[in-house]
Amino acid sequence: EAQVTQNPRYLITVTGKKLTVTCSQNMNHEYMSWYRQDPGLGLRQIYYSMNVEVTDKGDVPEGYKVSRKEKRNFPLILESPSPNQTSLYFCASSPWDSNNEQFFGPGTRLTVL
Amino acid sequence: AQSVAQPEDQVNVAEGNPLTVKCTYSVSGNPYLFWYVQYPNRGLQFLLKYITGDNLVKGSYGFEAEFNKSQTSFHLKKPSALVSDSALYFCAVRDQYNDMRFGAGTRLTVKP
Repeated sequence: EAQVTQNPRYLITVTGKKLTVTCSQNMNHEYMSWYRQDPGLGLRQIYYSMNVEVTDKGDVPEGYKVSRKEKRNFPLILESPSPNQTSLYFCASSPWDSNNEQFFGPGTRLTVL
Repeated sequence: AQSVAQPEDQVNVAEGNPLTVKCTYSVSGNPYLFWYVQYPNRGLQFLLKYITGDNLVKGSYGFEAEFNKSQTSFHLKKPSALVSDSALYFCAVRDQYNDMRFGAGTRLTVKP
């Protein structure tokens, strides 16, 4: 089954404790992206990747890191989480061409205390 | 920079009535326009898209959308709403450089 998976689905952590949210897709997509969803703000892009070893900042990259060492994986790293990073996070993937729709993971709800 | 506006936070309709969820966009160049739906505790699901060609595009679950270049709009429509259509709907625009922007979302409630 074609899918995007994220782990963990739910996470409660404390300020400053490094964490990683994994994202993996099995569709051989070149393009992958991370978004955060906050009430009234819709989805805002954090980082995206056009292919292996190619990443770029989205609209709200501060406090986040990503890597793309393999085509299928695109982990999101919070080196020192803060309460304002409490949010719902989505990973998405698509073929490279920009006329393609994105496939979304199920989401990760993160709470930073 | 491109942007998307969904002017209504909430749309309420009665079951069986037609529904419209509005979206306007701003982009340089030709836009690629998308609608996604989000059910509670789920990721976004693709509904339909406009790339080129016929201004009326049909998608999943009986939804359709009309691309209007002069009004820079891409409104989502359905002739007869179902209670199960109640969800959060997002409009999105993507340009040829893969810059993707989402609207803030519109919560659709269909009442029996």
